[in-house]
Amino acid sequence: RKEVEQDPGPFNVPEGATVAFNCTYSNSASQSFFWYRQDCRKEPKLLMSVYSSGNEDGRFTAQLNRASQYISLLIRDSKLSDSATYLCVVNSTNAGKSTFGDGTTLTVKP
Amino acid sequence: ETGVTQTPRHLVMGMTNKKSLKCEQHLGHNAMYWYKQSAKKPLELMFVYSLEERVENNSVPSRFSPECPNSSHLFLHLHTLQPEDSALYLCASSQERREGWETQYFGPGTRLLVL
Repeated sequence: RKEVEQDPGPFNVPEGATVAFNCTYSNSASQSFFWYRQDCRKEPKLLMSVYSSGNEDGRFTAQLNRASQYISLLIRDSKLSDSATYLCVVNSTNAGKSTFGDGTTLTVKP
Repeated sequence: ETGVTQTPRHLVMGMTNKKSLKCEQHLGHNAMYWYKQSAKKPLELMFVYSLEERVENNSVPSRFSPECPNSSHLFLHLHTLQPEDSALYLCASSQERREGWETQYFGPGTRLLVL
């Protein structure tokens, strides 16, 4: 089993749709969590951190469920520019590293 | 953004060549990373340096040799590569704290083609 698992997709949605991505992790001692976005042929860039209380940044909402060991990213009112691959990242001190998921690809169509 | 820079941005090399990729971070971080990303594939962690010591080597072939002379610079020396080594090589840096590893910031990558 992978340490961090994501549904690879692809997710193809129309503009204006709401889409949700889930990510599960296996290390119960994981401490911090992030969502990154990677555009085609570009480097990954931090989208947002994920806090236990959940956090929102405009159309994006991230949630963490420690009991079930998963994090989620919700995108409301999808834009064409949201098309990208979304990477889930889990940091674990006992593992001494950050672990990236394989990514979920989103395509928003007109 | 100039937090993490990489040179060259593009590199074409033959299988008998020796070349080096360079990464420099201007963020005051104490950990640096090399990743490989083949076309339409996930990120593969290659090496991790923390406080200039290599803390992780993910079974990378010896034709890839990392070097971290100080906390701001990271090199990846390439020697007798194979065509399947063609990929985007990404450098990243982060701040390692006692309570955990923080957000990684990536450079723009070097797109490598091995002929």
